[in-house]
Amino acid sequence: QVQLVQSGAEVKKPGASVKVSCKASGYTFTSYGISWVRQAPGQGLEWMGWISAYNGNTNYAQKLQGRVTMTTDTSTSTAYMELRSLRSDDTAVYYCARSRTATSSGWYLDYWGQGTLVTVSS
Amino acid sequence: DIQMTQSPSSLSASVGDRVTITCRASQGISNSLAWYQQKPGKAPKLLLYAASRLESGVPSRFSGSGSGTDYTLTISSLQPEDFATYYCQQYYSTPPLTFGGGTKVEIK
Repeated sequence: QVQLVQSGAEVKKPGASVKVSCKASGYTFTSYGISWVRQAPGQGLEWMGWISAYNGNTNYAQKLQGRVTMTTDTSTSTAYMELRSLRSDDTAVYYCARSRTATSSGWYLDYWGQGTLVTVSS
Repeated sequence: DIQMTQSPSSLSASVGDRVTITCRASQGISNSLAWYQQKPGKAPKLLLYAASRLESGVPSRFSGSGSGTDYTLTISSLQPEDFATYYCQQYYSTPPLTFGGGTKVEIK
């Protein structure tokens, strides 16, 4: 069965960086993209970006451009999301999700990781 | 960017009730819409895609409809395990992938 297992909770100081991992199993990793979505406490879902596990192409949310980098390691079927220059409003649960391509330019999210809480506090 | 507006933001209902949630896009999205269910402390779960296609394993009491800019999620007979927050998401024009603000379904 398809599973996405994320790394554990992190506590970071403002200005630091965090790197969250997402290990996939149960499907051919390179056949799907991975999206990252975050959810601040008590808030809705915010899309952060997407990476093709096939060729490493990325699309990032405009508000995070320059602070976020998404990568994959196909040898271990793992996706990574690094966020730099952390601020208090980056405190959120971060999810990875398998992206099922539905149209030439669009996708929805059919399997999700369990989430990783990142707390940014001095 | 396409904006997604959900209504209501919350509702109270009883077990057995018929519940309808609306999602409106800022422009036509040609049925490129997914619905998710999220329970507290859990990841979202895909319910429907292409506006009306039920994801495998999702109970048939969930259904979706709509066209153009207006879409609905209907739960035909609310069950105890359906109390959760529901989100719509458009994938007609990405990036960015955009979500509605969510609808919390609470017990009356």
